[in-house]
Amino acid sequence: AQKITQTQPGMFVQEKEAVTLDCTYDTSDPSYGLFWYKQPSSGEMIFLIYQGSYDQQNATEGRYSLNFQKARKSANLVISASQLGDSAMYFCAMREGAVSGGSNYKLTFGKGTLLTVNP
Amino acid sequence: DAGITQSPRHKVTETGTPVTLRCHQTENHRYMYWYRQDPGHGLRLIHYSYGVKDTDKGEVSDGYSVSRSKTEDFLLTLESATSSQTSVYFCAIARERPETQYFGPGTRLLVL
Repeated sequence: AQKITQTQPGMFVQEKEAVTLDCTYDTSDPSYGLFWYKQPSSGEMIFLIYQGSYDQQNATEGRYSLNFQKARKSANLVISASQLGDSAMYFCAMREGAVSGGSNYKLTFGKGTLLTVNP
Repeated sequence: DAGITQSPRHKVTETGTPVTLRCHQTENHRYMYWYRQDPGHGLRLIHYSYGVKDTDKGEVSDGYSVSRSKTEDFLLTLESATSSQTSVYFCAIARERPETQYFGPGTRLLVL
């Protein structure tokens, strides 16, 4: 079974509107972290936002927010006021297990959602 | 910018030849990773390192080996390149505060 599922291969949004990119995850570990990355057409992987499983509040970073619904095992990315520069591939990723001395941060990625922002 | 460089950035090689990709970091991070990215698969972990000379396998390690003789350098070697190893290869480091991975610019490898 896939650990990270992104069900939307492609999404379209009008400039200045908000858009939600879906991500569901599968883990039995009570401690985990969820990440979103952006990959523009130039190819680099850009870290956007992080949510820990024990975080009480949803993470926010500027125009990005993570809608974390633990019981539903979903971690959707919300982009407010879309801009043309937001057109890119977006990846959801998960780290399983607690972060502590000696542990590592291996990530499992979803297959991505291609977002196109229309003018 | 996490101070990560990868070399070469592009490479074309022939089936059966050995290939080594280099990842260099300037911030003295303990954890380093190699991923490959293929259409329809997202990123998949090949190998990772948790210190000098300390490495372990990831999800898709067959046909790859790694070495880390210095903190700043993590090498990925394709022992005998195959066409199925045509891919984009990303190196990453892990920062502890905030807890996340940062990626290098990637290497595009074409195996003919």
